[in-house]
Amino acid sequence: AQSVTQLDSQVPVFEEAPVELRCNYSSSVSVYLFWYVQYPNQGLQLLLKYLSGSTLVESINGFEAEFNKSQTSFHLRKPSVHISDTAEYFCAVSVFGSSYKLIFGSGTRLLVRP
Amino acid sequence: DSGVTQTPKHLITATGQRVTLRCSPRSGDLSVYWYQQSLDQGLQFLIQYYNGEERAKGNILERFSAQQFPDLHSELNLSSLELGDSALYFCASSVGTSGVSEQFFGPGTRLTVL
Repeated sequence: AQSVTQLDSQVPVFEEAPVELRCNYSSSVSVYLFWYVQYPNQGLQLLLKYLSGSTLVESINGFEAEFNKSQTSFHLRKPSVHISDTAEYFCAVSVFGSSYKLIFGSGTRLLVRP
Repeated sequence: DSGVTQTPKHLITATGQRVTLRCSPRSGDLSVYWYQQSLDQGLQFLIQYYNGEERAKGNILERFSAQQFPDLHSELNLSSLELGDSALYFCASSVGTSGVSEQFFGPGTRLTVL
């Protein structure tokens, strides 16, 4: 069975500081990896994804994540956060197979303070 | 706006009742996924349909059922409701069932069981 672990339930950070949200996964088969963001009272939006190729993937709003197969990790980073980045961030995996359902971590609430 | 619509936005009902949640996928998307987001269980996959056929089941209770209609909209039926069924229910859609197909999430239906 596959699982996703997000160790930090909440990460407080000051505006313009760097941030890293950690994600580790467990799977005996190949997976696709995703980060979704959920702003208050909204649905989930895809932030970035790793399917294959370069292990470093970037989003249009300055986030990046690096797939590390040996450490089974897919940490999300941003060099300088904004107040508007305050949201819940979910790491997810989908497994090769007949259904590409997403298996989510428990989420990390990023709280950016002025 | 993801293009996925869900109705109603909010639903308040009593224990023992039955409700139906509706989802309209993005134009052209054949796959529909249902997820439940609750405080104690987090985000969990419930069920997936592809072009009218059930493709995969997750942690869906026997009291819950779903279907996808010929026009590709989907309904999630929840019966004999319990307090613990209170949650945010998301629908997502994708073009196909491949893991490279991005899942687009609707805004969710918040169910409150009193």
